Amino acid sequence: KQEVTQIPAALSVPEGENLVLNCSFTDSAIYNLQWFRQDPGKGLTSLLLIQSSQREQTSGRLNASLDKSSGRSTLYIAASQPGDSATYLCAGLNTGNQFYFGTGTSLTVIP
Amino acid sequence: GAGVSQSPRYKVAKRGQDVALRCDPISGHVSLFWYQQALGQGPEFLTYFQNEAQLDKSGLPSDRFFAERPEGSVSTLKIQRTQQEDSAVYLCASSLSSGRPYNEQFFGPGTRLTVL
Repeated sequence: KQEVTQIPAALSVPEGENLVLNCSFTDSAIYNLQWFRQDPGKGLTSLLLIQSSQREQTSGRLNASLDKSSGRSTLYIAASQPGDSATYLCAGLNTGNQFYFGTGTSLTVIP
Repeated sequence: GAGVSQSPRYKVAKRGQDVALRCDPISGHVSLFWYQQALGQGPEFLTYFQNEAQLDKSGLPSDRFFAERPEGSVSTLKIQRTQQEDSAVYLCASSLSSGRPYNEQFFGPGTRLTVL
């Protein structure tokens, strides 16, 4: 079974800082990797999807990279804003269409 | 529809009651997924449909859990004889297809189930 780990579990940064969230997975045979944002009491919002043949994806201030050989993905957030405060989840999709989620990184951006 | 919708958003049940949770996927999406998210944890896979066919139900925690998607669109997750450990947020997601590059999953807001 795929195990997904996210480090750190919680992060607090001042507004304007650049930051990196880490995701590691045990089974490199993933189909794709997706980063989500979850606000309290809400569902998941897809941020970036990286297919297994890709190395990275960018959307605005967000950049996600995938290194299948080392079993790692990172989410880079540039110039953080208070509105970025949320829990960030990574999930790896196996060929059986099962998504394995990490436990998330809770981000607080202090104004 | 514009996105995945779920109802009810909140459900309180007494232990032993049966509950039914509904998911309306994005129109035209072939694949539908159910997840269970306990407090402070990431979502855990329950089951997966492709159209009306339930292709994987390996994540269902017990035979009290049952899911269906009879016409390949709306899906219902039923939990019989609810127990306190069933308390969680139940998330539904859909994707256009199971094949790349259309397998990005879009999530609904979830149903928060509390079993007393």
